[in-house]
Amino acid sequence: GAGVSQSPRYKVTKRGQDVALRCDPISGHVSLYWYRQALGQGPEFLTYFNYEAQQDKSGLPNDRFSAERPEGSISTLTIQRTEQRDSAMYRCASSVQGVVNEQFFGPGTRLTVL
Amino acid sequence: EDKVVQSPLSLVVHEGDTVTLNCSYEVTNFRSLLWYKQEKKAPTFLFMLTSSGIEKKSGRLSSILDKKELFSILNITATQTGDSAVYLCAVGANSKLTFGKGITLSVRP
Repeated sequence: GAGVSQSPRYKVTKRGQDVALRCDPISGHVSLYWYRQALGQGPEFLTYFNYEAQQDKSGLPNDRFSAERPEGSISTLTIQRTEQRDSAMYRCASSVQGVVNEQFFGPGTRLTVL
Repeated sequence: EDKVVQSPLSLVVHEGDTVTLNCSYEVTNFRSLLWYKQEKKAPTFLFMLTSSGIEKKSGRLSSILDKKELFSILNITATQTGDSAVYLCAVGANSKLTFGKGITLSVRP
């Protein structure tokens, strides 16, 4: 596609519910990254993939967070049993490959946990 | 732990002024340093720097990297109100980007 797309753009959920956030990277981009961005802060790394392989998940806060990219294109970030502290902007980015190529960001999903 | 520190955290200037935004870092296995501009939406890419001393330039914006002293600067000349944004610095190391907190620039008419 023309750019990175994410859906939904806004998600409001009740505490304890599971949510799934979707990212569709730029066509042909090997690397896909998930970040969380709090207000007034820079994006914070969560996890990344090369093709379908999850290369690094060291930024995932706890085991309620998981991500997958089964066919090496679209990725889903899942948060189970959401808590209020999970409320944030979740951003996806993709690059041709790795960190020696610029990352292009999607519009983000604003998650609000009530 | 990789660390990226930006300064100042915020500044206010008038149109036509020149500004210098700073980014220092402490990382292992440095690969790249990137600057992004963020308005009320997704960060947009400005520059990527991988070599010391080579200035990258785009219109009124320019940036340079010093890998010995571990910092980069982003210069904006003849600022315009449209330059008002948060400027993010990120360092690519260990296969991921570590971002600073950003510098909020406000350009007054």
